[in-house]
Amino acid sequence: DVKVTQSSRYLVKRTGEKVFLECVQDMDHENMFWYRQDPGLGLRLIYFSYDVKMKEKGDIPEGYSVSREKKERFSLILESASTNQTSMYLCASSTRDRDVDTQYFGPGTRLTVL
Amino acid sequence: RKEVEQDPGPFNVPEGATVAFNCTYSNSASQSFFWYRQDCRKEPKLLMSVYSSGNEDGRFTAQLNRASQYISLLIRDSKLSDSATYLCVASTGGYNKLIFGAGTRLAVHP
Repeated sequence: DVKVTQSSRYLVKRTGEKVFLECVQDMDHENMFWYRQDPGLGLRLIYFSYDVKMKEKGDIPEGYSVSREKKERFSLILESASTNQTSMYLCASSTRDRDVDTQYFGPGTRLTVL
Repeated sequence: RKEVEQDPGPFNVPEGATVAFNCTYSNSASQSFFWYRQDCRKEPKLLMSVYSSGNEDGRFTAQLNRASQYISLLIRDSKLSDSATYLCVASTGGYNKLIFGAGTRLAVHP
């Protein structure tokens, strides 16, 4: 069974803190993604990675960075958390096979920045 | 304008009803389309892909109209367990990037 795990389900941080969100997948997928989900806006892509050490900006990369040192792990970093980064963060992975588009999601991390 | 637009609902229907959701997409280069289901406080999961010829999976039927750039999902004989948010998704290919609609909420009541 496919599995994407995220390091925390709930996280509370203070403005200005550095925040690390970790995502691990056990499916040997090449592609990994970070989204945030906000009411009325749906899922918005922050960053994605199609290979180890490779990263591409998504639609809303400002205020975020990522790291992919190993194939199975994709980290999202908030260098200096701000209140407008309070959101649900979802990690996903998919295979590079262009005939298989399914993305598998982790359970999400609900981040609150005070 | 959002790339993928959906009516947010909620659609409140009784058990056994037939309900249909529509979704429009703005990028004519979109190649693949999907419906994902998201239960309250859970992650999205693939419900079904949408093919040009239309496709059916049990009580669920998905249709794609490329000329009008809209996608539909029909649910027949609604069950209480169908209550969820349904996300319309388009892909332009390339690293499997997906564009999500904001979702349509369905509430099925006894």
